[in-house]
Amino acid sequence: GDSVTQMEGPVTLSEEAFLTINCTYTATGYPSLFWYVQYPGEGLQLLLKATKADDKGSNKGFEATYRKETTSFHLEKGSVQVSDSAVYFCALNDGNNRLAFGKGNQVVVIP
Amino acid sequence: GAVVSQHPSRVICKSGTSVKIECRSLDFQATTMFWYRQFPKQSLMLMATSNEGSKATYEQGVEKDKFLINHASLTLSTLTVTSAHPEDSSFYICSALEGGYYGYTFGSGTRLTVV
Repeated sequence: GDSVTQMEGPVTLSEEAFLTINCTYTATGYPSLFWYVQYPGEGLQLLLKATKADDKGSNKGFEATYRKETTSFHLEKGSVQVSDSAVYFCALNDGNNRLAFGKGNQVVVIP
Repeated sequence: GAVVSQHPSRVICKSGTSVKIECRSLDFQATTMFWYRQFPKQSLMLMATSNEGSKATYEQGVEKDKFLINHASLTLSTLTVTSAHPEDSSFYICSALEGGYYGYTFGSGTRLTVV
């Protein structure tokens, strides 16, 4: 079935550093792609989304581009802040209105 | 924007008792709601898809009789953990699908602890 793979392990970086979280997907069709963020003890918040190839989703300084040729949707931010510390999940819509999530990446931004 | 309210946020119950978790869409009608379970430092595991007025569709390996889902109206879905045991302790999150293909809104989650 459709699935999402995120890079392994937590990400620790200094404030104002550049952040990249890799996400690749496997799908039979052309899914919509999402990045969600989860703060401690909370549910998920939609960060950004893209619905077709070459679309770029952006929000709060974060960006991700839907790359069909590489089946990727990498998340980037040019200058992170301590408040960006959270868990980030990549997800896709599997065509049955269900979301398939990657394992998530804990991001820790150090002042 | 779309808001989903999930209640309670935390609950502690004794082993053998049942616990009900509510998920409400506050400003939109949700024909479909989803229930997830999340273990510490892990991803979300879809438990079931709940459609208003019909039986829930459970994912493989999820016990239907243990996790009762009711979606009686377009704004409310409930998950009841029956005869809870310590291994049911987890973080449960609901999500509501608003109309369009990609309008998912998540609740803030419920931390269930069974003692």
